[in-house]
Amino acid sequence: SAVISQKPSRDICQRGTSLTIQCQVDSQVTMMFWYRQQPGQSLTLIATANQGSEATYESGFVIDKFPISRPNLTFSTLTVSNMSPEDSSIYLCSVEGGYTEAFFGQGTRLTVV
Amino acid sequence: KQEVTQIPAALSVPEGENLVLNCSFTDSAIYNLQWFRQDPGKGLTSLLLIQSSQREQTSGRLNASLDKSSGRSTLYIAASQPGDSATYLCAVIKAAGNKLTFGGGTRVLVKP
Repeated sequence: SAVISQKPSRDICQRGTSLTIQCQVDSQVTMMFWYRQQPGQSLTLIATANQGSEATYESGFVIDKFPISRPNLTFSTLTVSNMSPEDSSIYLCSVEGGYTEAFFGQGTRLTVV
Repeated sequence: KQEVTQIPAALSVPEGENLVLNCSFTDSAIYNLQWFRQDPGKGLTSLLLIQSSQREQTSGRLNASLDKSSGRSTLYIAASQPGDSATYLCAVIKAAGNKLTFGGGTRVLVKP
């Protein structure tokens, strides 16, 4: 299994500002995944972050809005830029373990006012 | 495009009853299926992983079955407890390194 530490656990931000979410894993992993869960909805993949290359974004998500860094095999950040109330969601990072079992961080609950 | 559906969307039972949660998927070409638990405002906790070659997995009071050909999985929780109250999500993956496709979840309330 993998233990994932995600910071911050929650934040309230002003519209127009940016928030950077950190994800730290206790073991080296090739891929890290960033998901968004809007209120009352299920999870949607934002992007896949590979170490040493650009992140791969899903349809509907762009790098200017959600820049991602992956400086090494245990760490990644997701920035939510120029926030609006529509960005209020839970953001989760995930890694793939043995037999593709997915493990998630505890999530970042973001409220934009 | 893979679509995952969970029925019912919400379920309320008295303590001690068994819970039956359903998950269906449209594309049977999956690598595995995973069940998660999510408490309000929190992250996901992995409950059970069923590989495509398996028919079921068990962990304590939890049992999950998989019928890949018909695109269905069922999560059984025996002798429910108030602490089982949470949202349960199923997700499928097509291959290693691919994204998970999630169902909408079943919100469970177990009343004391």
